[in-house]
Amino acid sequence: AQSVTQPDIHITVSEGASLELRCNYSYGATPYLFWYVQSPGQGLQLLLKYFSGDTLVQGIKGFEAEFKRSQSSFNLRKPSVHWSDAAEYFCAVAPFSGGYNKLIFGAGTRLAVHP
Amino acid sequence: EPEVTQTPSHQVTQMGQEVILRCVPISNHLYFYWYRQILGQKVEFLVSFYNNEISEKSEIFDDQFSVERPDGSNFTLKIRSTKLEDSAMYFCASSEGLAEDTQYFGPGTRLTVL
Repeated sequence: AQSVTQPDIHITVSEGASLELRCNYSYGATPYLFWYVQSPGQGLQLLLKYFSGDTLVQGIKGFEAEFKRSQSSFNLRKPSVHWSDAAEYFCAVAPFSGGYNKLIFGAGTRLAVHP
Repeated sequence: EPEVTQTPSHQVTQMGQEVILRCVPISNHLYFYWYRQILGQKVEFLVSFYNNEISEKSEIFDDQFSVERPDGSNFTLKIRSTKLEDSAMYFCASSEGLAEDTQYFGPGTRLTVL
Protein backbone atom coordinates (compact mmCIF):
# COMPACT_ATOMS: atom_id res chain seq x y z
CA ALA A 1 0.00 0.00 0.00
CA GLN A 2 1.13 3.56 -0.65
CA SER A 3 2.29 5.24 2.53
CA VAL A 4 4.58 7.72 4.21
CA THR A 5 6.10 6.61 7.49
CA GLN A 6 7.75 8.69 10.16
CA PRO A 7 8.75 6.10 12.73
CA ASP A 8 9.60 8.54 15.51
CA ILE A 9 6.57 10.19 17.08
CA HIS A 10 8.54 12.25 19.57
CA ILE A 11 12.25 13.12 19.74
CA THR A 12 14.09 15.12 22.38
CA VAL A 13 17.56 16.53 21.79
CA SER A 14 19.82 18.95 23.61
CA GLU A 15 20.48 22.34 22.12
CA GLY A 16 23.58 22.18 19.96
CA ALA A 17 23.24 18.46 19.31
CA SER A 18 22.75 17.02 15.85
CA LEU A 19 19.36 15.87 14.64
CA GLU A 20 18.08 13.30 12.19
CA LEU A 21 14.38 12.75 11.56
CA ARG A 22 13.46 9.69 9.59
CA CYS A 23 11.01 9.35 6.72
CA ASN A 24 10.26 6.36 4.53
CA TYR A 25 7.82 6.16 1.68
CA SER A 26 6.22 3.37 -0.25
CA TYR A 27 5.23 4.29 -3.78
CA GLY A 28 5.73 2.60 -7.13
CA ALA A 29 7.52 5.50 -8.76
CA THR A 30 9.67 7.95 -6.85
CA PRO A 31 7.36 10.74 -5.77
CA TYR A 32 8.32 14.30 -5.11
CA LEU A 33 9.47 14.63 -1.50
CA PHE A 34 9.03 17.41 1.03
CA TRP A 35 9.66 18.32 4.63
CA TYR A 36 7.35 20.80 6.34
CA VAL A 37 7.55 22.26 9.85
CA GLN A 38 4.63 23.35 12.00
CA SER A 39 5.15 25.58 15.01
CA PRO A 40 2.33 25.91 17.54
CA GLY A 41 -0.51 28.01 16.16
CA GLN A 42 1.17 28.28 12.78
CA GLY A 43 0.56 26.79 9.38
CA LEU A 44 2.88 24.37 7.66
CA GLN A 45 6.11 25.89 6.38
CA LEU A 46 8.19 24.22 3.70
CA LEU A 47 11.73 23.41 4.81
CA LEU A 48 12.97 21.74 1.62
CA LYS A 49 11.94 19.59 -1.32
CA TYR A 50 13.40 17.02 -3.68
CA PHE A 51 12.36 16.34 -7.26
CA SER A 52 15.47 15.05 -9.00
CA GLY A 53 19.20 15.55 -9.30
CA ASP A 54 21.53 15.91 -6.35
CA THR A 55 20.25 13.63 -3.62
CA LEU A 56 21.37 15.96 -0.85
CA VAL A 57 19.14 19.00 -0.70
CA GLN A 58 19.60 22.11 1.37
CA GLY A 59 16.70 23.93 2.94
CA ILE A 60 15.92 26.85 5.15
CA LYS A 61 16.98 27.25 8.78
CA GLY A 62 20.10 25.12 8.27
CA PHE A 63 18.23 21.90 7.48
CA GLU A 64 19.21 19.39 4.84
CA ALA A 65 17.76 16.09 3.67
CA GLU A 66 19.16 13.14 1.77
CA PHE A 67 17.17 11.06 -0.68
CA LYS A 68 18.17 7.39 -0.77
CA ARG A 69 16.35 5.53 -3.48
CA SER A 70 17.56 2.10 -2.34
CA GLN A 71 16.08 2.68 1.09
CA SER A 72 13.02 4.69 -0.04
CA SER A 73 14.04 7.25 2.54
CA PHE A 74 14.24 11.01 2.79
CA ASN A 75 15.72 11.80 6.20
CA LEU A 76 15.96 15.32 7.54
CA ARG A 77 19.13 16.46 9.30
CA LYS A 78 20.52 19.43 11.10
CA PRO A 79 24.07 19.52 12.49
CA SER A 80 23.31 21.74 15.48
CA VAL A 81 19.81 22.21 16.84
CA HIS A 82 18.58 25.52 18.25
CA TRP A 83 15.85 25.91 20.88
CA SER A 84 13.69 27.60 18.24
CA ASP A 85 13.66 24.37 16.21
CA ALA A 86 11.20 22.84 18.67
CA ALA A 87 8.15 22.10 16.52
CA GLU A 88 6.41 19.30 14.67
CA TYR A 89 8.02 18.09 11.47
CA PHE A 90 6.12 16.45 8.65
CA CYS A 91 7.48 14.48 5.76
CA ALA A 92 5.23 14.58 2.70
CA VAL A 93 5.16 13.13 -0.79
CA ALA A 94 3.46 14.20 -3.98
CA PRO A 95 2.82 10.95 -5.83
CA PHE A 96 3.21 10.66 -9.57
CA SER A 97 -0.29 9.18 -9.78
CA GLY A 98 -2.68 12.12 -9.97
CA GLY A 99 -0.05 14.34 -11.50
CA TYR A 100 1.63 15.38 -8.26
CA ASN A 101 -1.56 17.21 -7.46
CA LYS A 102 -1.71 16.51 -3.74
CA LEU A 103 0.51 16.03 -0.73
CA ILE A 104 0.40 12.87 1.34
CA PHE A 105 1.75 13.47 4.83
CA GLY A 106 3.41 11.29 7.39
CA ALA A 107 2.17 11.29 10.96
CA GLY A 108 4.75 13.84 12.05
CA THR A 109 7.61 13.90 14.54
CA ARG A 110 7.40 16.27 17.47
CA LEU A 111 10.80 17.69 18.37
CA ALA A 112 11.58 18.95 21.85
CA VAL A 113 14.85 20.78 22.52
CA HIS A 114 16.46 20.81 25.96
CA PRO A 115 18.54 23.87 26.87
CA GLU B 1 6.13 38.09 2.07
CA PRO B 2 2.78 36.99 0.62
CA GLU B 3 0.87 34.51 2.74
CA VAL B 4 -2.29 32.46 2.76
CA THR B 5 -4.85 33.68 5.26
CA GLN B 6 -7.79 31.84 6.75
CA THR B 7 -10.86 32.94 8.68
CA PRO B 8 -12.07 32.31 11.25
CA SER B 9 -9.24 30.91 13.32
CA HIS B 10 -11.73 28.93 15.39
CA GLN B 11 -15.30 27.97 14.56
CA VAL B 12 -17.68 26.25 16.94
CA THR B 13 -20.91 24.83 15.53
CA GLN B 14 -23.72 22.48 16.39
CA MET B 15 -24.01 19.12 14.71
CA GLY B 16 -26.11 19.37 11.57
CA GLN B 17 -25.30 23.02 10.93
CA GLU B 18 -23.62 24.32 7.81
CA VAL B 19 -20.23 25.96 8.06
CA ILE B 20 -18.15 27.87 5.57
CA LEU B 21 -14.43 28.13 6.05
CA ARG B 22 -12.73 30.94 4.20
CA CYS B 23 -9.29 31.27 2.69
CA VAL B 24 -7.49 33.96 0.77
CA PRO B 25 -4.76 32.32 -1.31
CA ILE B 26 -1.64 34.08 -2.49
CA SER B 27 -2.72 36.43 -5.25
CA ASN B 28 -0.87 35.03 -8.28
CA HIS B 29 -1.47 31.40 -7.40
CA LEU B 30 -3.68 29.25 -9.60
CA TYR B 31 -4.03 26.01 -7.62
CA PHE B 32 -5.89 25.77 -4.36
CA TYR B 33 -6.19 23.00 -1.80
CA TRP B 34 -7.91 22.02 1.40
CA TYR B 35 -6.42 19.63 3.93
CA ARG B 36 -7.58 18.65 7.37
CA GLN B 37 -5.93 17.33 10.51
CA ILE B 38 -8.01 15.58 13.12
CA LEU B 39 -6.44 16.01 16.53
CA GLY B 40 -3.59 13.58 16.97
CA GLN B 41 -3.79 12.31 13.39
CA LYS B 42 -2.12 12.96 10.05
CA VAL B 43 -2.70 15.92 7.81
CA GLU B 44 -5.05 14.58 5.11
CA PHE B 45 -5.68 15.85 1.60
CA LEU B 46 -9.29 16.78 0.89
CA VAL B 47 -9.47 18.50 -2.47
CA SER B 48 -7.57 20.44 -5.10
CA PHE B 49 -9.09 23.13 -7.29
CA TYR B 50 -7.96 24.74 -10.50
CA ASN B 51 -9.63 26.83 -13.16
CA ASN B 52 -12.89 26.92 -11.20
CA GLU B 53 -13.28 23.21 -10.90
CA ILE B 54 -12.18 20.36 -8.70
CA SER B 55 -9.13 18.62 -10.13
CA GLU B 56 -8.85 15.90 -7.51
CA LYS B 57 -10.64 14.93 -4.33
CA SER B 58 -10.14 12.31 -1.66
CA GLU B 59 -12.58 9.75 -0.31
CA ILE B 60 -13.18 12.05 2.64
CA PHE B 61 -14.56 14.76 0.35
CA ASP B 62 -18.08 13.41 0.00
CA ASP B 63 -21.32 15.16 -0.94
CA GLN B 64 -21.36 17.05 2.34
CA PHE B 65 -18.35 19.04 1.21
CA SER B 66 -18.09 21.63 -1.51
CA VAL B 67 -15.56 24.24 -2.57
CA GLU B 68 -15.98 27.50 -4.35
CA ARG B 69 -14.02 30.47 -5.54
CA PRO B 70 -16.78 33.05 -5.33
CA ASP B 71 -14.63 35.96 -6.41
CA GLY B 72 -11.08 36.71 -7.44
CA SER B 73 -9.61 36.38 -3.99
CA ASN B 74 -11.53 33.97 -1.77
CA PHE B 75 -11.57 30.18 -1.74
CA THR B 76 -14.15 28.55 0.50
CA LEU B 77 -14.88 25.13 1.92
CA LYS B 78 -18.48 24.43 2.85
CA ILE B 79 -19.65 21.56 5.00
CA ARG B 80 -23.40 21.27 4.56
CA SER B 81 -24.41 19.30 7.64
CA THR B 82 -21.59 18.96 10.11
CA LYS B 83 -20.93 15.79 12.03
CA LEU B 84 -18.98 15.31 15.22
CA GLU B 85 -16.22 13.64 13.24
CA ASP B 86 -15.74 16.78 11.14
CA SER B 87 -14.05 18.39 14.14
CA ALA B 88 -10.52 19.08 12.95
CA MET B 89 -8.05 21.73 11.91
CA TYR B 90 -8.66 22.68 8.29
CA PHE B 91 -5.75 24.04 6.27
CA CYS B 92 -5.99 25.91 3.03
CA ALA B 93 -3.01 25.94 0.67
CA SER B 94 -2.19 27.46 -2.69
CA SER B 95 0.50 27.05 -5.31
CA GLU B 96 1.52 28.82 -8.47
CA GLY B 97 1.55 25.59 -10.44
CA LEU B 98 1.70 21.88 -9.90
CA ALA B 99 4.37 19.40 -8.99
CA GLU B 100 7.53 21.40 -8.44
CA ASP B 101 5.74 24.49 -7.18
CA THR B 102 5.55 24.80 -3.43
CA GLN B 103 2.21 24.60 -1.69
CA TYR B 104 1.94 27.45 0.81
CA PHE B 105 -0.27 26.76 3.79
CA GLY B 106 -2.47 29.03 5.84
CA PRO B 107 -2.53 28.94 9.65
CA GLY B 108 -5.67 26.82 9.71
CA THR B 109 -9.22 27.01 11.05
CA ARG B 110 -10.03 24.86 14.04
CA LEU B 111 -13.56 23.53 13.62
CA THR B 112 -15.31 22.17 16.69
CA VAL B 113 -18.62 20.39 16.17
CA LEU B 114 -20.70 19.94 19.32
